[in-house]
Amino acid sequence: EADIYQTPRYLVIGTGKKITLECSQTMGHDKMYWYQQDPGMELHLIHYSYGVNSTEKGDLSSESTVSRIRTEHFPLTLESARPSHTSQYLCASSGSVGDQPQHFGDGTRLSIL
Amino acid sequence: AQSVTQLDSQVPVFEEAPVELRCNYSSSVSVYLFWYVQYPNQGLQLLLKYLSGSTLVKGINGFEAEFNKSQTSFHLRKPSVHISDTAEYFCAVNPSGGYQKVTFGTGTKLQVIP
Repeated sequence: EADIYQTPRYLVIGTGKKITLECSQTMGHDKMYWYQQDPGMELHLIHYSYGVNSTEKGDLSSESTVSRIRTEHFPLTLESARPSHTSQYLCASSGSVGDQPQHFGDGTRLSIL
Repeated sequence: AQSVTQLDSQVPVFEEAPVELRCNYSSSVSVYLFWYVQYPNQGLQLLLKYLSGSTLVKGINGFEAEFNKSQTSFHLRKPSVHISDTAEYFCAVNPSGGYQKVTFGTGTKLQVIP
């Protein structure tokens, strides 16, 4: 049973719209991550956070932004969606110590028309 | 910095046959090693992890992996695969220092043929 939740699971929306993808975890983890993954392809880290009010850009450049106002919540926002943003977005969290695995949500599959 | 190489992008195997999915890594510091599985339309799930101690680690669903420090490898094995093992498998390394990012491999698609 998932302890990390992503909504919506699927979203089809037109170009130019503002989108927020929600991610919440109930494990009290300090670290949270956003990955972009095209179907059947590798993961690309686009944002991460090591705690409240901490956000960093990942390895893959992204036009999205994130916020971390509460430990359990790590939303990702696209101010103006474009077809190039069509992808799957995975949220994950982990404990502070390096031996802790990441826990993943089921993802949001985003399609921009 | 560290890197992870999964040498095979796709591995087809017949049902009930053994399988090995290969993972090699490089790192200038000590690392923790993980294997994750991703089923279609889902996130990743932890299969197993190596932190220290015995180099052979057992995970869920009958999978096991062996850490080889001299070869910097962490290959995943299962003696007899089932159709339900069809999925994508990701190897990952995490530096032992707490505030460094995990690095994932590019994934290996395991296709089990009936």
